[in-house]
Amino acid sequence: QVQLVESGGGVVQPGRSLRLSCAASGFTFSSYGMHWVRQAPGKGLEWVARIWYDGSNENYVDSVKGRFTISRDNSKNTLYLQMNSLRAEDTAVYYCARDQGRSGYYPSNYWGQGNLVTVSS
Amino acid sequence: QSVLTQPPSVSGAPGQRVTISCTGTSSDIGAGYDVHWYQQLPGTAPKLLIYTNTNRPSGVPDRFSGSKSGTSASLAITGLQAEDEADYYCQSYDSSLSAVVFGGGTKLTVL
Repeated sequence: QVQLVESGGGVVQPGRSLRLSCAASGFTFSSYGMHWVRQAPGKGLEWVARIWYDGSNENYVDSVKGRFTISRDNSKNTLYLQMNSLRAEDTAVYYCARDQGRSGYYPSNYWGQGNLVTVSS
Repeated sequence: QSVLTQPPSVSGAPGQRVTISCTGTSSDIGAGYDVHWYQQLPGTAPKLLIYTNTNRPSGVPDRFSGSKSGTSASLAITGLQAEDEADYYCQSYDSSLSAVVFGGGTKLTVL
């Protein structure tokens, strides 16, 4: 069955960096677009970034542009989110999600369990 | 502030019908982009409930239905059950932002 398992979260000081990983299994990872979606404590869902099936295209929400980078290693079936210059407002549970299609223009029918990132001094 | 506007909360008694609206603009829903709906139970990851405006993934009861018209979409839930109590989010794409966008979410309370 499809599984998405996030890792790499934790507590980090403002201005520092963190890299999240999402290990995928149960499907052909290289055939699907992938997303990162976050949810601040007690708040709604916020889309963060998406990447095409082959890594050839990426898009970001304005608030993370220039600070976050989404990438993937199809040989390792793993999605990444490199987060630099972290701010308190980046504190959230981060979910990786699989798109229904190749380019990230479709809904996400599989989600990871979520990984908490806390930015605090 | 979310790009797509949803009511913060709705409620209904067991067995009743409720609807949740999702209002967008000419850059997203009004531009013809599809709307998808997710259900998030407390402490869990979101679950795809309706995709491409009106379609239900396998396993989703037919009590859930979606519609879209103009710059808005709606999720309808009939025969409300206690286990429907959750947060519901709409999702679409905004061409002016080149970004996937979510609604702010609606908390459904089953009285």
